[in-house]
Amino acid sequence: SQTIHQWPATLVQPVGSPLSLECTVEGTSNPNLYWYRQAAGRGLQLLFYSVGIGQISSEVPQNLSASRPQDRQFILSSKKLLLSDSGFYLCAWTVTGEETQYFGPGTRLLVL
Amino acid sequence: SQQGEEDPQALSIQEGENATMNCSYKTSINNLQWYRQNSGRGLVHLILIRSNEREKHSGRLRVTLDTSKKSSSLLITASRAADTASYFCATGRDDKIIFGKGTRLHILP
Repeated sequence: SQTIHQWPATLVQPVGSPLSLECTVEGTSNPNLYWYRQAAGRGLQLLFYSVGIGQISSEVPQNLSASRPQDRQFILSSKKLLLSDSGFYLCAWTVTGEETQYFGPGTRLLVL
Repeated sequence: SQQGEEDPQALSIQEGENATMNCSYKTSINNLQWYRQNSGRGLVHLILIRSNEREKHSGRLRVTLDTSKKSSSLLITASRAADTASYFCATGRDDKIIFGKGTRLHILP
């Protein structure tokens, strides 16, 4: 069966520090991968999605970036965090050609 | 940008009652999905309805889709305390789905 992992679960970082959040999927090949951010009590904002290794589409211009170095690995990064980067970051995957998304447990990021 | 808008934003009902949440969207879609999110957790897929379908059932869930009105509803029958969560509609287009802001449902004992 397929599983999706995210780490860390919680992160507290100072403003201006770098960020690296990792997401890995097991049990499937060539998934579509997604990064979302959810502000407290709000809906999900799509940040990046990827349909294959090295293929990244950005939905919102900001100081975040994403990379997909391996088929089932998706990384969200920042060189310098802003206070506004605080939120709940969710990774998700779909089978190529299908619509249902499967979400990871999320990473709660607090930038101070 | 967000495509779907759920209504109401928050809903409190007594256990055993039915809960109805609505979703409106703006552009054409291939499908519409409903997801549930327990506090501090990831989202869980509940049901998908395609643009050529009008109604779909899954257990205590009933979803309708009216493409002429660009709206969908999610009905949870015989609500339980465990149904307390946020519910999101998501519209599918190309390789992306776009989520609404959600309805926070609270089931009162």
